[in-house]
Amino acid sequence: AQRVTQPEKLLSVFKGAPVELKCNYSYSGSPELFWYVQYSRQRLQLLLRHISRESIKGFTADLNKGETSFHLKKPFAQEEDSAMYYCALRETSYDKVIFGPGTSLSVIP
Amino acid sequence: EPEVTQTPSHQVTQMGQEVILRCVPISNHLYFYWYRQILGQKVEFLVSFYNNEISEKSEIFDDQFSVERPDGSNFTLKIRSTKLEDSAMYFCASREFSGSTDTQYFGPGTRLTVL
Repeated sequence: AQRVTQPEKLLSVFKGAPVELKCNYSYSGSPELFWYVQYSRQRLQLLLRHISRESIKGFTADLNKGETSFHLKKPFAQEEDSAMYYCALRETSYDKVIFGPGTSLSVIP
Repeated sequence: EPEVTQTPSHQVTQMGQEVILRCVPISNHLYFYWYRQILGQKVEFLVSFYNNEISEKSEIFDDQFSVERPDGSNFTLKIRSTKLEDSAMYFCASREFSGSTDTQYFGPGTRLTVL
């Protein structure tokens, strides 16, 4: 069965420090991987997806099929990055999105 | 920018009562979804809906749940006889096309509290 894990429930970094939110997945095929973000009292928003290979708000994520990882990185954290981050997977032949448990990022000023 | 909307934002109900959660997807979207998030747990898929029928459902989506698109704009989730464990945040989502290049847009959620 497909599964998404995010080992850190909570991550605190200082403003200006690099940040890496870890995500690993288990799926035998070729999934589509996403990062969603949820700011306080706001809806889930797509942050980025692996197929577009773009950088949003300074965040990047590279799909590593060998390690089955899709870690989210940003070189210099900002206070406004404080939010809940969810790694998610979608099988290409199905529709549903499978979410990881989420990591709460707190950027300390 | 168009958004998915959901009403109500918070619903409180007694155990055993029926509730209907309402969603208005983005107008040109064709695929609709419900997810839920129990407090402190991850977001879980409930059901997907396309062309006026369920295309996929999870094991959570048992006979107590049903979905409907009663008109051209609304998409509803009905829980027939609520249980305490149905207390959760319920998110509606919609998507425009089939295929891997588009994305699901989420509503703000409805917080359901079953007493």
